Amino acid sequence: DSGVTQTPKHLITATGQRVTLRCSPRSGDLSVYWYQQSLDQGLQFLIQYYNGEERAKGNILERFSAQQFPDLHSELNLSSLELGDSALYFCASSVGDRGPSPLHFGNGTRLTVT
Amino acid sequence: QKEVEQDPGPLSVPEGAIVSLNCTYSNSAFQYFMWYRQYSRKGPELLMYTYSSGNKEDGRFTAQVDKSSKYISLFIRDSQPSDSATYLCAMRSWGDYGGSQGNLIFGKGTKLSVKP
Repeated sequence: DSGVTQTPKHLITATGQRVTLRCSPRSGDLSVYWYQQSLDQGLQFLIQYYNGEERAKGNILERFSAQQFPDLHSELNLSSLELGDSALYFCASSVGDRGPSPLHFGNGTRLTVT
Repeated sequence: QKEVEQDPGPLSVPEGAIVSLNCTYSNSAFQYFMWYRQYSRKGPELLMYTYSSGNKEDGRFTAQVDKSSKYISLFIRDSQPSDSATYLCAMRSWGDYGGSQGNLIFGKGTKLSVKP
C-alpha cells in the first residue's frame, strides 16, 4: 500500500458530463501529481501541485482542471467529457516538488465515458 | 525521437530465469532514474530509485545506469511468477521552477510474464 488514496475506483458517465476525481496524498507529502494512462499513450503527466500551488502543467486539456486544498488533498475536474477521455487517472505524491523526490502512486480511477 | 524509449515486449521467461529490462533516453538533463512495477488494475509501485551511474542492488533486483550511453537497465534474478507485471522506467531532471522539465517522464512499459 503506497499510502495514496484515490476515489472513486470506477466511474462510468456519458459524453458531455463533468466528473471530479479525488486524491489524498501520503502523510507528509506536499506535492501531488495527476497522470493519465491509456493503452496507446502510456502514462502522461497532466499537472502538479505543491503545498496548494500549481507547480507545473503537462499535456492537460483546457476542459480539465485541478486544485490542491489546504489539507493537501487534491481534486481533478474533467468536464465536457468525450469518449477519448476514457482512461485510468492516477494521482501520485512526493515529499518535495522536484528532482530527488520519488513519486508514490495510488491505484487510480478508471473512467469510462459512454 | 521520444524522450524515453522502452521495448513494450511482451517478454515471457521460465521461472528462475534472469530478466533484463532496458530503457534508453535522449535528454542528458535526466539525473534521477526509477523503475516501477505495475500489476493489472493497480497503480505503479516504486521498485528502485537511483541518481548516479553504476549499479544499485535490492534483493533480487539490480538497477544499472549508464549516463554516458543514456541507457538504464533493471535485472531480476531468480524470477518468480509473482514478478509477472508491466515494468516502467521513469526519469526526471532537477527541474526549473514552474516548468514541466522536472517532472517524471515514463517509458511505455515492458510486459513481463514468468511461467512456472
